[in-house]
Amino acid sequence: TQLLEQSPQFLSIQEGENLTVYCNSSSVFSSLQWYRQEPGEGPVLLVTVVTGGEVKKLKRLTFQFGDARKDSSLHITAAQPGDTGLYLCAGSVNTNAGKSTFGDGTTLTVKP
Amino acid sequence: DSGVTQTPKHLITATGQRVTLRCSPRSGDLSVYWYQQSLDQGLQFLIQYYNGEERAKGNILERFSAQQFPDLHSELNLSSLELGDSALYFCASSATGTQNIQYFGAGTRLSVL
Repeated sequence: TQLLEQSPQFLSIQEGENLTVYCNSSSVFSSLQWYRQEPGEGPVLLVTVVTGGEVKKLKRLTFQFGDARKDSSLHITAAQPGDTGLYLCAGSVNTNAGKSTFGDGTTLTVKP
Repeated sequence: DSGVTQTPKHLITATGQRVTLRCSPRSGDLSVYWYQQSLDQGLQFLIQYYNGEERAKGNILERFSAQQFPDLHSELNLSSLELGDSALYFCASSATGTQNIQYFGAGTRLSVL
């Protein structure tokens, strides 16, 4: 069983602060996705990473895949209230439309 | 809009009843996934179908069943409902060869009273 552990579980910060959330596993993944979910809605894909050491940027969000493809991080610069939500990471062992394993998520609250 | 459609959006029923949740995947996606999300919990994987066949099974109760039809839409059947089955149920779809990127529907909120 591939488990993904996300930390911290909850994070409450002020607008303008920086933050990093982590997604760790003992398993090697062929790809890893980050999703953001707002209350009452389905998760929305933010990014997918597939190469060890890969870094992707999406405006103020920076995603990194670990060299060994077992972990990932999401860094947000100058957080805004609109960043509030549940951030989920999901890893896949097989790329051929197989099952993904989801972490339990980090609930981020950004206060104005 | 993810392109994944779930109906109904809300469902209120009583214990012991049976309900059916419906999902239409994105056009061309062969894989459909079902998840349960209870209050303050992450996504619990229930089951995956690929082109009409069951592909993977998660922590799905025996009282729950699912199927994927030839037109690729899927239904999740929940029977003998209990209070603890109250949750958000999400459907997601993905295309083959896309690193399992999943597109989620807006969910069905099930309330068992």
